[in-house]
Amino acid sequence: DAKTTQPTSMDCAEGRAANLPCNHSTISGNEYVYWYRQIHSQGPQYIIHGLKNNETNEMASLIITEDRKSSTLILPHATLRDTAVYYCIVRSGGGSNYKLTFGKGTLLTVNP
Amino acid sequence: GAGVSQSPRYKVAKRGQDVALRCDPISGHVSLFWYQQALGQGPEFLTYFQNEAQLDKSGLPSDRFFAERPEGSVSTLKIQRTQQEDSAVYLCASSPSGRAINRELFFGEGSRLTVL
Repeated sequence: DAKTTQPTSMDCAEGRAANLPCNHSTISGNEYVYWYRQIHSQGPQYIIHGLKNNETNEMASLIITEDRKSSTLILPHATLRDTAVYYCIVRSGGGSNYKLTFGKGTLLTVNP
Repeated sequence: GAGVSQSPRYKVAKRGQDVALRCDPISGHVSLFWYQQALGQGPEFLTYFQNEAQLDKSGLPSDRFFAERPEGSVSTLKIQRTQQEDSAVYLCASSPSGRAINRELFFGEGSRLTVL
């Protein structure tokens, strides 16, 4: 699976949009981009995933560049409860590839 | 509850003791995963079950680690002769699909093991 690069930490003001970047310059054509987050003392939680089109759900939006070498997770109105470590993961869509390989992620701190 | 349940939430063991960590996945979920998370690190894959079959145990760090899921539902991760480097949070996750592609993983809250 392609390796991802994320900033170690970011800050965001409550109520503002949080934009979390992820570089995956070695991504291949059948690899999906997944985002999970982990709030302190909890297990990781799925947020969103996509292949090449932008995606939106009730939690967030995922913007993938046209060359697919990077993506941005957008939390449109961050709240204090969004403070967490956010993991960007690239995973092959092949039938035998079931693992998620986590990096260190980005610690997002939402400030009042 | 409807989520993945893990027990115990906290376990303190003396070096050399055996421990067993339990995972109750979401009912009907085919896939079950164990991950190990050291302090300040992301989760690392340990092993994967599809129903009762252990299809991948490549992440188990040594032969002191053993996992089973005999009836395709509850799973147990056993660590024999615990060492200090085994101290970590052990996370269990399940997924409804055997292929697990395009399907999210549902994680439990983890079992925090401290080896003294």
